[in-house]
Amino acid sequence: ETGVTQTPRHLVMGMTNKKSLKCEQHLGHNAMYWYKQSAKKPLELMFVYNFKEQTENNSVPSRFSPECPNSSHLFLHLHTLQPEDSALYLCASSQDLTGVGTDTQYFGPGTRLTVL
Amino acid sequence: QQPVQSPQAVILREGEDAVINCSSSKALYSVHWYRQKHGEAPVFLMILLKGGEQKGHEKISASFNEKKQQSSLYLTASQLSYSGTYFCGTEIGGTSYGKLTFGQGTILTVHP
Repeated sequence: ETGVTQTPRHLVMGMTNKKSLKCEQHLGHNAMYWYKQSAKKPLELMFVYNFKEQTENNSVPSRFSPECPNSSHLFLHLHTLQPEDSALYLCASSQDLTGVGTDTQYFGPGTRLTVL
Repeated sequence: QQPVQSPQAVILREGEDAVINCSSSKALYSVHWYRQKHGEAPVFLMILLKGGEQKGHEKISASFNEKKQQSSLYLTASQLSYSGTYFCGTEIGGTSYGKLTFGQGTILTVHP
């Protein structure tokens, strides 16, 4: 499945670094999502964008800053992260957020982030 | 509040059946089921909308009991390819479409 791509696939950064994660979807969808997946924890929703507008910020610390310049691209800007932020960051997209099954989400392969 | 999945893990031999349950304390609009293999992205299996419907996908089917706010995923005649972690994601709808809350996952291992 190459409908949702993420780069980089692996990232190691220090606590003072600034980096960005990129997500691109080729499915013609209008909604995009960021999730965090830590070891032995459920998938945690971070942000939701619908038609480039942020509709959900699930109490995410400000050191994570999302950006959605268009419906196909989603970024997650990272700065002054903590070691506990190390996790797999997954991007997903769906047709939209109107319900009736149109919010079925398709995931990218994720970026494995390690914060030293 | 996240849904609770049971069991946490199950081990099968090829050809055996399994049932994975997902229970919520909230009234649900839909339940989404995903399978994730190690090191890979979660893959969508099916969505159940409120109304108690049952859906099928090859030998994998699911039901949604609106009264109990519980969904069950049925895997019949399991194959080696069914191995992975199964997640349910619940959606309460209204202004929260798209906001899925996931269970902790059920690890399914199928042996030859």
